[in-house]
Amino acid sequence: QAVVTQEPSLTVSPGGTVILTCGSSTGAVTSGHYPYWFQQKPGQAPKTLIHDTTNKHSWTPARISGSLLGGKAALTLSGAQPEDEAIYYCLVFDSGVGVFGGGTKLTVL
Amino acid sequence: EVQLVETGGGLIQPGGSLRLSCVVSGFTVSSDFMTWVRQAPGKGLEWVSIIHIDGSTYYADSVKGRFTISRDNSNNILHLLMNSLRVEDTAVYYCANRGYWGQGTLVTISS
Repeated sequence: QAVVTQEPSLTVSPGGTVILTCGSSTGAVTSGHYPYWFQQKPGQAPKTLIHDTTNKHSWTPARISGSLLGGKAALTLSGAQPEDEAIYYCLVFDSGVGVFGGGTKLTVL
Repeated sequence: EVQLVETGGGLIQPGGSLRLSCVVSGFTVSSDFMTWVRQAPGKGLEWVSIIHIDGSTYYADSVKGRFTISRDNSNNILHLLMNSLRVEDTAVYYCANRGYWGQGTLVTISS
């Protein structure tokens, strides 16, 4: 199984922009890996933000978007808000099997 | 309103078996893929298994051969049968589809 890597931690200023990335040990992440992004806050179930690289759900804030960037999946958060402080996980599928990244702890400070 | 409710968790000895259920309302389990994800205490998310619309299934290496995912279309329930349980299977188990998650059920493997 692939090893999926994310930045362990990132800090963004309120109102600022931050990009979280998701890479794979097997090579470039593409749309064929159907990248997902999730947000998890302490004591809560994860929440799906992005599916299939770029697709948002109705509850996904407009300031959050997904893309592919430099061979990785990317989650861009523009205009960070205090409520964006959370752990963000990516998930990619490789030959049908899903693999999560280790998560990025995002601090808004 | 979409709801996913996991049941079946509990305390069980190593080597035992457990069947988790995910009761779904608001959509049909056969209309989208359904997946199980687990989270060990204080750890990150770990993908466990998936069942697709066409019934095809996939498993993480850590559970392959021990866990079986299935769905009951008549009752709109997703199941996860877990055999030969190990201490390292201890986790909160979540069911999810493309967008929605349940609140999870805790499985504790301990003697």
